[in-house]
Amino acid sequence: DGGITQSPKYLFRKEGQNVTLSCEQNLNHDAMYWYRQDPGQGLRLIYYSQIVNDFQKGDIAEGYSVSREKKESFPLTVTSAQKNPTAFYLCASSIGLRASYEQYFGPGTRLTVT
Amino acid sequence: AQTVTQSQPEMSVQEAETVTLSCTYDTSESDYYLFWYKQPPSRQMILVIRQEAYKQQNATENRFSVNFQKAAKSFSLKISDSQLGDAAMYFCAYRSPIINGGSEKLVFGKGTKLTVNP
Repeated sequence: DGGITQSPKYLFRKEGQNVTLSCEQNLNHDAMYWYRQDPGQGLRLIYYSQIVNDFQKGDIAEGYSVSREKKESFPLTVTSAQKNPTAFYLCASSIGLRASYEQYFGPGTRLTVT
Repeated sequence: AQTVTQSQPEMSVQEAETVTLSCTYDTSESDYYLFWYKQPPSRQMILVIRQEAYKQQNATENRFSVNFQKAAKSFSLKISDSQLGDAAMYFCAYRSPIINGGSEKLVFGKGTKLTVNP
């Protein structure tokens, strides 16, 4: 079955440590996205990538970094510079960037930093 | 910048009845896409229905339909014959047709929590 996998489902880290969230898709989609969800809020875009080796900042990119070395993979690193990293992180993908293309979401990773 | 507002933080409905969730948005664009996403307790976002702004006909997907009022910038979701499995957070989202302009994202509302009572 095609889909998006995110691992792990729950992640715990100490303050000051960098942590990398995994996102893999086997849908052969070119575009991938990272969103952050906080309680009582909708999703906000962190980074997106249209194609391998290319990515763009979203609305809340500060304190995060990404890479896109393979079409299937778009890992997100939450750095120690991110002031409030505890949140639910969702990865998504779509055929391309056109608005008419549906974004498919992964199951998410809940990150807790103490 | 576009904004999406969902004025009902919580709604409840009896099983088998109909419920309408409200959404309004603000944009200066004439062409765009609107979506309703469902987020069940598993927290995976699932697309429920979408509407292209240039289409006057309201979208329908089985028990789900929308009332799209472009002039009023309103996009409500009607769920008919509500089922227990419909209980979830529902998010309204806006997508600009512009590419490479920083608009390549879904703009989400804050969501409405729907409870279905047996």
